Order: sequence, then structure tokens, then C-alpha cells
Amino acid sequence: GAGVSQSPSNKVTEKGKDVELRCDPISGHTALYWYRQSLGQGLEFLIYFQGNSAPDKSGLPSDRFSAERTGGSVSTLTIQRTQQEDSAVYLCASSGTGGLATSYEQYFGPGTRLTVT
Amino acid sequence: SQQGEEDPQALSIQEGENATMNCSYKTSINNLQWYRQNSGRGLVHLILIRSNEREKHSGRLRVTLDTSKKSSSLLITASRAADTASYFCATDGGSGTYKYIFGTGTRLKVLA
Repeated sequence: GAGVSQSPSNKVTEKGKDVELRCDPISGHTALYWYRQSLGQGLEFLIYFQGNSAPDKSGLPSDRFSAERTGGSVSTLTIQRTQQEDSAVYLCASSGTGGLATSYEQYFGPGTRLTVT
Repeated sequence: SQQGEEDPQALSIQEGENATMNCSYKTSINNLQWYRQNSGRGLVHLILIRSNEREKHSGRLRVTLDTSKKSSSLLITASRAADTASYFCATDGGSGTYKYIFGTGTRLKVLA
């Protein structure tokens, strides 16, 4: 089956503009994650959705960042008034429900490389 | 700060040698996972070890977990050039949620 897809793969935007990044998780996966990875760095947790529960937004760096997950499937990460420090690769991952070890495994998309000029 | 911290930050070995990388974390966990990231395949899950397990094997990979020391190690035996990648540990918060925090990673280079 299809894996996690993200679009666009690359996005160049001017400082101050808003951007939307899209993630299509694996069908049936109830958990969806957004991470940010700067060049040569580890993954920074941003936000996590699990089923119909309220999302865990504890990793969002500022109120310029927001995310939605519609219908328990597709998710959009929105960055308003982008700044140069927002430049990074934004990764999306999905996983199934708990109860089995393999259900905790996260499947990652290829990422969106965001460059703010 | 990151929940998990790997060391060393970088490791360079010859093909055929074993590679060991370590992960330390701060809070109690339900399970710990290791992931690999290379330019060709992105981030890929390698292995999961539960808090009540001490050791787990998968092919050439061996993972240990010491919850008393809040540490885990990943051993890759008989390394190959294709193992060249960054390796990350990821820990949950032990609270029954699915939120995972990734460490800073170990960059492994295997020389042919």
C-alpha cells in the first residue's frame, strides 16, 4: 500500500508569507505526527494527533504555527508570517493504535523542505 | 531539551567492524525505538524494545535497555557501507500517550 506522502516536497517562500504543508498518512493509521528537522540536527517534535482526541500541541514553537487534521486523515501544518529561522525540513509520520508493538512504529513521509528567504 | 541524547555524535568504522551507539533519556518510558535516517530512504523504523525487556535482536541489530540507568544501546554487527546513516532513539513519556521525543542522533560512517 501507499506510504505517507507529503506535499510540496520543496517550498521557497519570502519572509512574512504564510505557508501550508500537507501530509497524507497511511490509511487507517490513527496517530499523526509533525516534526521539524534543521540541517544536521535531530527531530524536533511539533504536534501529535491521536484519533478524535485533542491534539498535543506542546511542541509548537510559537503561535504562528498551527495544524489541523480533517476527518481523521489528511493533516495541514500552517506557518504564518514565516521567519528565516523556520527554514527546515518538516516531517510527517503516522502510526496505528497501541496494543501491539508494531503499532507504535512510525512511518515517515519524505518531508517538505522549507526555505524562507 | 531532548528526551533522548545519543552518543557518540559521530562514529567512523571500517566495514566488517561492529558499531555501538548509546541513548540516554530522562523520564520513565513504556518503550524505546531506534530509527535510521539516510538520504536515500528517509527515516525508517529499526526496532522497538519495551520497558520490561532487556535485550532484543533483529538481524544484525542488537538493542539493550537498562531502565535503572535510563539508557539503551544499539549494536550493529558486521557493519556494511550501506549502514552509513544517522541513528536516532525515540522515547515515549511513559504516560500511555503516543508522543515520542527523538534524540539528537549518531552519525555513523562505514568505510569500505
